[in-house]
Amino acid sequence: AQSVTQLGSHVSVSEGALVLLRCNYSSSVPPYLFWYVQYPNQGLQLLLKYTSAATLVKGINGFEAEFKKSETSFHLTKPSAHMSDAAEYFCATRGSSNTGKLIFGQGTTLQVKP
Amino acid sequence: DAGITQSPRHKVTETGTPVTLRCHQTENHRYMYWYRQDPGHGLRLIHYSYGVKDTDKGEVSDGYSVSRSKTEDFLLTLESATSSQTSVYFCAIRDSETQYFGPGTRLLVL
Repeated sequence: AQSVTQLGSHVSVSEGALVLLRCNYSSSVPPYLFWYVQYPNQGLQLLLKYTSAATLVKGINGFEAEFKKSETSFHLTKPSAHMSDAAEYFCATRGSSNTGKLIFGQGTTLQVKP
Repeated sequence: DAGITQSPRHKVTETGTPVTLRCHQTENHRYMYWYRQDPGHGLRLIHYSYGVKDTDKGEVSDGYSVSRSKTEDFLLTLESATSSQTSVYFCAIRDSETQYFGPGTRLLVL
């Protein structure tokens, strides 16, 4: 069965520092992988997605993620954190069936300190 | 913006009462989904639909039913609400391989 694990439920960085949010997946087939961001009291917004094209994926707001098959990872990074990046981040993979349902990680809350 | 609205946005209800949440989309997408979000669990799939009158269960479907009589509307019903169903509920549509989410409904069952 497919699954997604996000390492660290809370990550705290200083403004201007590197952001690294970790995601590992398990899948028996080439995966589709997604990162979503959720700001307080809002829905989920797509940050970026991997669909078996380029392994380095660039998303919105300066975020990017690299698909590493050998490590079964899809970590999210941003070179310099802004205060506005404080939010909850979810990694997800699409199930192998045609239903397209998503399997989510537990989420990581990013805190950005001034 | 994928043209998804949810109603109501907030609801407080009592244990044992029926509750219906509505998801409306404006772009004629075939697939629609209901998820619930709980701390430490991310989002979990309740039910999904792959067309009018075509629905199926997700991983946490007990206590929930759904209906889709029109392409644009997907209803989630809690037949007899319980405190364990206190959660935030999100509807999503699927556009190609990507899902887009509505703003959510915050439900409190007392």
